[in-house]
This record gives sequence, structure tokens and C-alpha cells, in this order.
Amino acid sequence: TQLLEQSPQFLSIQEGENLTVYCNSSSVFSSLQWYRQEPGEGPVLLVTVVTGGEVKKLKRLTFQFGDARKDSSLHITAAQPGDTGLYLCAGAQGAQKLVFGQGTRLTINP
Amino acid sequence: GAVVSQHPSWVICKSGTSVKIECRSLDFQATTMFWYRQFPKQSLMLMATSNEGSKATYEQGVEKDKFLINHASLTLSTLTVTSAHPEDSSFYICSATLGGTGNQPQHFGDGTRLSIL
Repeated sequence: TQLLEQSPQFLSIQEGENLTVYCNSSSVFSSLQWYRQEPGEGPVLLVTVVTGGEVKKLKRLTFQFGDARKDSSLHITAAQPGDTGLYLCAGAQGAQKLVFGQGTRLTINP
Repeated sequence: GAVVSQHPSWVICKSGTSVKIECRSLDFQATTMFWYRQFPKQSLMLMATSNEGSKATYEQGVEKDKFLINHASLTLSTLTVTSAHPEDSSFYICSATLGGTGNQPQHFGDGTRLSIL
């Protein structure tokens, strides 16, 4: 089974600061997805990256897929309290199965 | 966008009871559905992959006789937790995808919180 190591697992910062969440593996994935999950709800897809080296932006969120398609990062600029939540990366294996990272529980303090 | 509905959202029942959870794709036909389990403060763990009209494929360590999965149509999959015990208490989440080739995204339901007393 391919594993995804996500770090940090917990992060608490002040509003306005920048942060980066990392997702690393020794295996290659056909694509990698980032989700955000609120308590008591299912994950909501933020972005899918497919091509090695790909960079996607979603407002203040920047997602990058490593050149070798083994790792990814999520960078948030000027974090706001509304960004608080659980962020999950998930790599796609064959037959569309997803393997999830451990998650990063992000808290943005006003 | 693609919508997946999961029902019920919350179940509390006595030990020994069997509980059925439904997962429906509301506006698309889902060739493949996935069932996950999530314990508090942990990530999602895949339990099984369900393809319409065929038997589900279970992940290692997941008892197929304990967690019965039926995917009788392209819009509905059900997970039945048989003879549930307190250790089965968890957050169960389904997802659905169009299937086929390519990087089809998974669309997740809002989960079912199962509490076994």
C-alpha cells in the first residue's frame, strides 16, 4: 500500500500569517487531490493536480505537485480564521482508489 | 456540481443491532462508490470499493461478513454494519465517482456518525 506522509499534523497560527502543508510519498501517484473537511461533514475537494510540476491557485491557496509526482504542497497566504479546518491530501492509485494522508488540523487565531 | 447524499447522518443504537447506511448519487450515475471509516482526530481509511452489479472489494483487515455492501444500481450503494458493537462506533463516509479511465474525482457524502451503546 502506498503511504502519504502529511505534515504538520497540527498547526495553530495567527491571522495574517502564511503557512505551508506538505504531503510526501516514496511512490508515484497518477494525481493528487487536496480536501478540506469540517467537523461532522464529508471532505470537500479543493483541487486536483495531475501533471508533475503543476501549480494551481485558488484565491489565497496555492497547490503544487512535485516534478516526480511523489509529493505536493499547499500554501496559504495571509491566513484567515475561516481557513480553520482539517486539510487532507489524497493520492490516486490505480482503479481510482485514494490513499489519504493523516491530515493537518489547522487553526487560525484571530 | 456532483452531489452525494448519505443517510442517516446520525445513528445511535444498542449493541447487537444491524445498521444500514445509504449512499446516493443525486445527479450523476456512479459506477464506483467507496466506503471509508474515520475515527476521531484521524484520517479517512478506505474500507471497500463497490462497483455497480458486482461484489465489493474489501481492504485488508476489513471483515466482509461484518460490513455488507450492496451496489444494486448506479445511484445507490448501501453499507450494513451487522451485529454492531461499541468498537464499530465511528464516522462512516461514502464517496462516488463516474468511474472509467482518467482522473475522475470522488464526490463525498456528509458522513454517518454511528454510536453503538
